[in-house]
Order: sequence, then structure tokens, then C-alpha cells
Amino acid sequence: DADVTQTPRNRITKTGKRIMLECSQTKGHDRMYWYRQDPGLGLRLIYYSFDVKDINKGEISDGYSVSRQAQAKFSLSLESAIPNQTALYFCATSDPQRGGEETQYFGPGTRLLVL
Amino acid sequence: AQTVTQSQPEMSVQEAETVTLSCTYDTSESNYYLFWYKQPPSRQMILVIRQEAYKQQNATENRFSVNFQKAAKSFSLKISDSQLGDTAMYFCAFMIRQYNNNDMRFGAGTRLTVKP
Repeated sequence: DADVTQTPRNRITKTGKRIMLECSQTKGHDRMYWYRQDPGLGLRLIYYSFDVKDINKGEISDGYSVSRQAQAKFSLSLESAIPNQTALYFCATSDPQRGGEETQYFGPGTRLLVL
Repeated sequence: AQTVTQSQPEMSVQEAETVTLSCTYDTSESNYYLFWYKQPPSRQMILVIRQEAYKQQNATENRFSVNFQKAAKSFSLKISDSQLGDTAMYFCAFMIRQYNNNDMRFGAGTRLTVKP
């Protein structure tokens, strides 16, 4: 089974709709992240969380919100989706306490299309 | 702010040959991590190799090695004995080595095609 899972894998929605993307991990990592990937721009950080009580904005947080329901779950919400939020969204985890490394492990991605 | 530049949008290589992907970065920090991630058509992001800036020795992982030039702020990836399964997008990434800062910055990527 995959260590980091994302649901749904693909989603089509309409402008103005609220949508939630979910991420779960079995790695036992404290830190979780949400990125979006656009063609020609690489990945950009939206939000990250160091633990259940700690949420931090990333480079491009406007238009998004997150919820860290448990150590293993981190959800990304688009309160009112707009077409320029069409992108590939990745969840990632890391834990610098484990072996002292700071490597992020990614989920399979969610492709979102906003019409 | 840290920036990462990959100047080669696309590259190709013949199977079994060697290819080098370029990456430069801009930072005023002295302690940081550098990464290369691979994204095959399945779109999964897979860590290829990691380098800590304080280590002078270049990292290697089987057929993958890096040429880390700290003064030049350059971090190139060399793939030896290229295989068809190496066909993918390759992303260079930078992160400051600071406990409460996990803002990782990615380059725009290089699309590598390995030809039979």
C-alpha cells in the first residue's frame, strides 16, 4: 500500500463550487504539505503543517484553506473554485526527526479541472 | 527569496549513454539542501538524489550522481547508462536547512527523453 494517498485522483468542478482534496499518510510523519504544479512553473507550496496545531502559509496560499484533522490527515479546500486553480495538486510528508534528514515524500497527485 | 533555475526545458539521450541536467540556484544562505526529483508519466514525484550543502562530497545513487559547485551555486545531475525508464520530467529543488522552515523551492523542470 502507498505511504501517502490522495483522494480523489481526478476531479472536474465548476467555477464557484467548494471542493476538498484529501491526503492521508501511513508514514507516521509530523509534517505535511500541499503543493500545486502548473506547466512550466514546477511545484509551488500552498500550505504546510508541522503538527495538528501548527498551520503555515506557503508561497501561494490565497484562495485556499487547509485542515489538519489528525497527524495522518491533511485536507486542502478551495472555498470557491476558479479556472486558474486548474492544476495538479500534490500532498507531501516529511519528518526531520527520523534519521535527521529533511526529505519530502509525495503522494500520487490530484488533477483538478475547474470549468 | 530563493530561486531555482533549470535552463534546459527539454533534453534527449540515446539509451546507454550519459546525460547531464543543469540546475542553478540563488541564495544568501550557507546551509541548505538540494534535491533532484523525477516525475515519470505516472506523475508520481520520486526522489532521485539529495545533497546537503555542508558536505563537500558529491552525492551518488547508483547511476545517478551530482556535481555540486557551491561557490557557483550549481547542482547538475548526471545520469549514466541511461535507460528507457529514465524518461521523465526532472525537477531540481532547494530548501534552507532550518528546523522550522520547510519552504522548498522547485525549478520549472527538464523533460528528458531516452531514445532506444
